[in-house]
Amino acid sequence: AQKVTQAQTEISVVEKEDVTLDCVYETRDTTYYLFWYKQPPSGELVFLIRRNSFDEQNEISGRYSWNFQKSTSSFNFTITASQVVDSAVYFCALSEVYNFNKFYFGSGTKLNVKP
Amino acid sequence: EAQVTQNPRYLITVTGKKLTVTCSQNMNHEYMSWYRQDPGLGLRQIYYSMNVEVTDKGDVPEGYKVSRKEKRNFPLILESPSPNQTSLYFCASSTSGRSTGELFFGEGSRLTVL
Repeated sequence: AQKVTQAQTEISVVEKEDVTLDCVYETRDTTYYLFWYKQPPSGELVFLIRRNSFDEQNEISGRYSWNFQKSTSSFNFTITASQVVDSAVYFCALSEVYNFNKFYFGSGTKLNVKP
Repeated sequence: EAQVTQNPRYLITVTGKKLTVTCSQNMNHEYMSWYRQDPGLGLRQIYYSMNVEVTDKGDVPEGYKVSRKEKRNFPLILESPSPNQTSLYFCASSTSGRSTGELFFGEGSRLTVL
């Protein structure tokens, strides 16, 4: 069963637009961790954020913000005033404590930011 | 510099010819894992290891083997590669003893099996 769903396969925006990447997850565990990773065109995977299931506070880091809502099992990622350098594939991921050490990634959302 | 190093970065091989992709980390991490990335499927976990001599299957272990004889190394072995194992492979290690920590990834190994 799919654990993490990123329904948006590809999104294109123009520079300076705001964009939200959706992530919906499925778990039976009460304790889990959610992550976002960025994969720029160069191919490496870069960690962006980790959030545990007990912390529903939204987080902001510069132009990036994350909205975690347990009620809807979502962990969405918003980029404000997008820039060309934000063009990448973004992956949402889940790790469950009861089923620890297994890691589930979504299929990724490719973001194209055009100048 | 803290890093995860994979070799080779690119490899073209033929069906049935055994190969090993090496992975080494210099951060003294206990947890290491392997993933394959395929279009439309994201990354899928192949195997993971919590420590030396402790390994277990991820979601897609068929056709792969691993070993963890030293803390820093976690090689991925394809005993008899097949074309459906053509993929981009990533090794990762974690700050945590479990998968719940941030993953540090290698640069990836692109494997083509003809």
